[in-house]
Amino acid sequence: AQSVTQLDSHVSVSEGTPVLLRCNYSSSYSPSLFWYVQHPNKGLQLLLKYTSAATLVKGINGFEAEFKKSETSFHLTKPSAHMSDAAEYFCVVIHGSGNTGKLIFGQGTTLQVKP
Amino acid sequence: NAGVTQTPKFQVLKTGQSMTLQCAQDMNHEYMSWYRQDPGMGLRLIHYSVGAGITDQGEVPNGYNVSRSTTEDFPLRLLSAAPSQTSVYFCASRQTGWNTEAFFGQGTRLTVV
Repeated sequence: AQSVTQLDSHVSVSEGTPVLLRCNYSSSYSPSLFWYVQHPNKGLQLLLKYTSAATLVKGINGFEAEFKKSETSFHLTKPSAHMSDAAEYFCVVIHGSGNTGKLIFGQGTTLQVKP
Repeated sequence: NAGVTQTPKFQVLKTGQSMTLQCAQDMNHEYMSWYRQDPGMGLRLIHYSVGAGITDQGEVPNGYNVSRSTTEDFPLRLLSAAPSQTSVYFCASRQTGWNTEAFFGQGTRLTVV
């Protein structure tokens, strides 16, 4: 069965420093992987998604994620944090082969950005 | 370009009351699903549907009913509200395909007193 584990429940960085949010997955299939962001009291917005075309995926707002099959990881990075990046981030895998509505969420990582 | 629309945004219920959370999407997506979000637990799947007339249970279905009479609508019914159902609820829709992304509504914050 598919699952995702976000390794940090809370990450704190200073503005202008790099961001690393870690996600490991388990999947019997070629995984459908996504990162979503949720700003306070808002809905969820897609940051990026893995496509088999490239292992390094670029998303919105300067975020990237690298798919590493050997490590079963899909970590999210950003070279330089901005105050507006403070939010909760979810790593998500789609259950099964992808032809389903079932999304499986990690428990979330809260990113704090200090001035 | 509405996307996924949830109503209401906020609701307070008394224990034992029933209500329906509405969800509608205008993207002709086959897949729709309901999640609840609780602190420290991410989003957990309540019920989902792979098309009109087809629904199935997710991880936490107890106390909730769904139906899917049309492609566009996927209402979630609370049969007899309990304080444990205090949560934020999200509806999502997704097109068929291996890695198509899900689109989410803005959420319904439900408090059961």
